[in-house]
Amino acid sequence: DIQMTQSPSSLSASVGDRVTITCRASQGISNDVAWYQQKPGKVPKLLIYAASTLQSGAPSRFSGSGSGTDFTLTISSLQPEDVATYYCQKYYSVPLTFGGGTKVEIK
Amino acid sequence: QVQLQESGPGLVKPSETLSLSCNVSGGSITSYSWSWIRQSPGRGLEWIAYIYYSGSPKYNPSLKSRVSISVDTSKNQFSLKLNSVTAADTAVYYCARSPRWCSGSSCNPLHFDSWGQGTLVTVSS
Repeated sequence: DIQMTQSPSSLSASVGDRVTITCRASQGISNDVAWYQQKPGKVPKLLIYAASTLQSGAPSRFSGSGSGTDFTLTISSLQPEDVATYYCQKYYSVPLTFGGGTKVEIK
Repeated sequence: QVQLQESGPGLVKPSETLSLSCNVSGGSITSYSWSWIRQSPGRGLEWIAYIYYSGSPKYNPSLKSRVSISVDTSKNQFSLKLNSVTAADTAVYYCARSPRWCSGSSCNPLHFDSWGQGTLVTVSS
């Protein structure tokens, strides 16, 4: 099975900071990666798919990049409402797997 | 806009079968793939299975021996059965929708673009 290793597991940053979260696949998976935001007590929400396509309605400060094995989610200017846990997910093959999550907090 | 709603018992006894349904409204169940995903504090998000209204369902190998997914197009809903449950199966269970991508005769689900609200299932005697 292809594993998704996400880092860091948590981070604390100031409002306005640029935040970067990475996900590494154990094998090449083209650009078959999505990113989700899950706020405390809420349902995961799709932010990015196909590694870099912004989901309709997602704020433009979120962006994704990468292909093959290394993927990145970037928040260009962290806002208080971005406090959440972020997950990557690959859909290249079964089993569909998620990264372990990155908890983002405000410093 | 599509809406997904899970339903089923919130408490299941160890060794028994967990049964959940997901009702899909606002769209046809025949146009997408449909998955069950669960989340427990110790294991994060875990994909369980997906199904399309035609074709064979796919299962997570870690659960394949205990899980079954089915779809009822007449009711616009799909269902999950997980047997021989233990405390480790305690989790919030989500149903979710995926667009599909097809190449020739092979089709695969993509990202999860719509999710149900989730239902907490506790396994306890």
